Amino acid sequence: DAKTTQPPSMDCAEGRAANLPCNHSTISGNEYVYWYRQIHSQGPQYIIHGLKNNETNEMASLIITEDRKSSTLILPHATLRDTAVYYCIAGYNTDKLIFGTGTRLQVFP
Amino acid sequence: DVKVTQSSRYLVKRTGEKVFLECVQDMDHENMFWYRQDPGLGLRLIYFSYDVKMKEKGDIPEGYSVSREKKERFSLILESASTNQTSMYLCASSLRSVTGSLYNEQFFGPGTRLTVL
Repeated sequence: DAKTTQPPSMDCAEGRAANLPCNHSTISGNEYVYWYRQIHSQGPQYIIHGLKNNETNEMASLIITEDRKSSTLILPHATLRDTAVYYCIAGYNTDKLIFGTGTRLQVFP
Repeated sequence: DVKVTQSSRYLVKRTGEKVFLECVQDMDHENMFWYRQDPGLGLRLIYFSYDVKMKEKGDIPEGYSVSREKKERFSLILESASTNQTSMYLCASSLRSVTGSLYNEQFFGPGTRLTVL
């Protein structure tokens, strides 16, 4: 599975868009990009995943570059409840994910 | 709603004790996983199981064993607990992946914070 690199922490003002970057320069053609987040004292929660095309659901949008070497998770209107650690994972075997250390997003009022 | 429950939120054990961490899911998922989470290291996979009585080692299986006698239950066993096994333990479950692009998300329990003295 491809290794991912994320900034250790980011801040975002409440109501603004939070853009969380992820680098996966060694990703192979059949590997997906998955995003999970972990709110304090809870288990991780699935957000979104994609292969090549941009994806959107009720929680977030995922923008994958054309060369697939990086992606951005977008929370369009961040709230205080979005404060969490966000994990970007790249892999083919959807049964087995390898979590890194993620990005700690702090949303402030 | 999928529910993954873990037997304890907090557990304190002594070095050398045998420790059982239990995980139960109520959505008939084939796959179940055990992770540990430590500051600065993220989540690391200990073991996973894709069917009853089946198990596969993850990235850090040393010092642990697992048991899956029923589909809904996956147990993590520390045969002789050591202080370096003090950690947060997270259980997860998912449907087995279908060939192709269908992705089955992992659902996590709330975690068990184990302290070994």
